[in-house]
Amino acid sequence: QSVLTQPPSVSAAPGQKVTISCSGSSSNIGSNFVSWYQQLPGTAPKLLIYEDNKRPSGIPDRFSGSKSGTSATLGITGLQTGDEADYYCGTWDGTLSAFWVFGGGTKLTVL
Amino acid sequence: QITLRESGPTLVKPTQTLTLTCTFSGFSLTANGVFVAWTRQPPGKALEWLALIYWDDDKRFSPALKTRLTITKDTSKHQVFLTMTNMDPVDTATYFCAHSAYSGYDLLPFDHWGQGLLVTVSS
Repeated sequence: QSVLTQPPSVSAAPGQKVTISCSGSSSNIGSNFVSWYQQLPGTAPKLLIYEDNKRPSGIPDRFSGSKSGTSATLGITGLQTGDEADYYCGTWDGTLSAFWVFGGGTKLTVL
Repeated sequence: QITLRESGPTLVKPTQTLTLTCTFSGFSLTANGVFVAWTRQPPGKALEWLALIYWDDDKRFSPALKTRLTITKDTSKHQVFLTMTNMDPVDTATYFCAHSAYSGYDLLPFDHWGQGLLVTVSS
């Protein structure tokens, strides 16, 4: 069981917006940047968001990140069927960012 | 272009030691701020971070698995190695290695991943 809590699943229709939450504590989200990863079926994870709200080059602005206190949120607008995937949050944890942790993952279904 | 590729045994027996190799190209593990990490994913389950090694040979481990893990590197061969002792069927998973580095002042954690290697633990 992960120290970062995500909803097991979310769903929305094509074209709609969806948000995925990631809840942690003062030792992880509360004191470190959060990243988000997209994992399409049968593939390796892909970095979507880093440092809470920044997008690597090539990631469309339909994807956004935010953080407040010990919780972070991934937002996806203009949903496409190709967005159907598992999404994971991640951040450092422990004293002096001693180790990394991932959330339990959220399965996004685009209805 | 950064690429990483995991290699090693795909089947190990319980109690054996697993050694995995991550062979990379497109970056140097001697450059400031660069590190390589290992993450695993049991079939149908979530990602679980295991360990990382920094350019300066600093190492970090998952607290849950720290006693079983060793991570080393051979910068001349562009390889990172992960050793996990006392393997158990619950360790059956796809094992990924991933690159991280700074872009200016920004850290991009795990911005490039290998394709993963499925390791099955069974007698």
